[in-house]
Amino acid sequence: EPEVTQTPSHQVTQMGQEVILRCVPISNHLYFYWYRQILGQKVEFLVSFYNNEISEKSEIFDDQFSVERPDGSNFTLKIRSTKLEDSAMYFCASSETSGDEQFFGPGTRLTVL
Amino acid sequence: GDSVTQMEGPVTLSEEAFLTINCTYTATGYPSLFWYVQYPGEGLQLLLKATKADDKGSNKGFEATYRKETTSFHLEKGSVQVSDSAVYFCALNSNQAGTALIFGKGTTLSVSS
Repeated sequence: EPEVTQTPSHQVTQMGQEVILRCVPISNHLYFYWYRQILGQKVEFLVSFYNNEISEKSEIFDDQFSVERPDGSNFTLKIRSTKLEDSAMYFCASSETSGDEQFFGPGTRLTVL
Repeated sequence: GDSVTQMEGPVTLSEEAFLTINCTYTATGYPSLFWYVQYPGEGLQLLLKATKADDKGSNKGFEATYRKETTSFHLEKGSVQVSDSAVYFCALNSNQAGTALIFGKGTTLSVSS
């Protein structure tokens, strides 16, 4: 069964450093998403991406964040200068069409020290 | 804006007990509704969904009915098992292109034998 994969599973970084989280969505899906979940809190939407551009973003997704689909398979989230409060589980998701169910990856746990 | 409200947890039950987790929503238009489950240490998995009023989603013994008149999508299971222990998230999607899933805060279910 096709699935969304994410790497790495756990990333530890120093405050102020850049990190890139990687995702491989399901191959025939057209819509891609990033969410985050701070420990013990609810899952929050960051950004959605379609046709090589951002289609929606939340207020969390400020200038420190960017997304890219560098090739036909990867979808990345970059945090330019990490802050302590960026520590969270980051989930990538993809869907075949808009409004369809979103399939989530296993997440990357980001720890900023 | 759109929002989802779930009953506060944790919910603690004995094996074979009946489960209800309440979920209500606020949305314009006709959203799709979802229940996602997060087992300890894992990512989000879609449990069930409903895309229009009066639809019933079901999976693994869980059910939820899309009630437009009460704006509710309550999750039920007739007989829970220890393996059902997890965090359950109610979510909605407005069905517009590339839009986010909006999650409730999650309800932790703990089932003991």
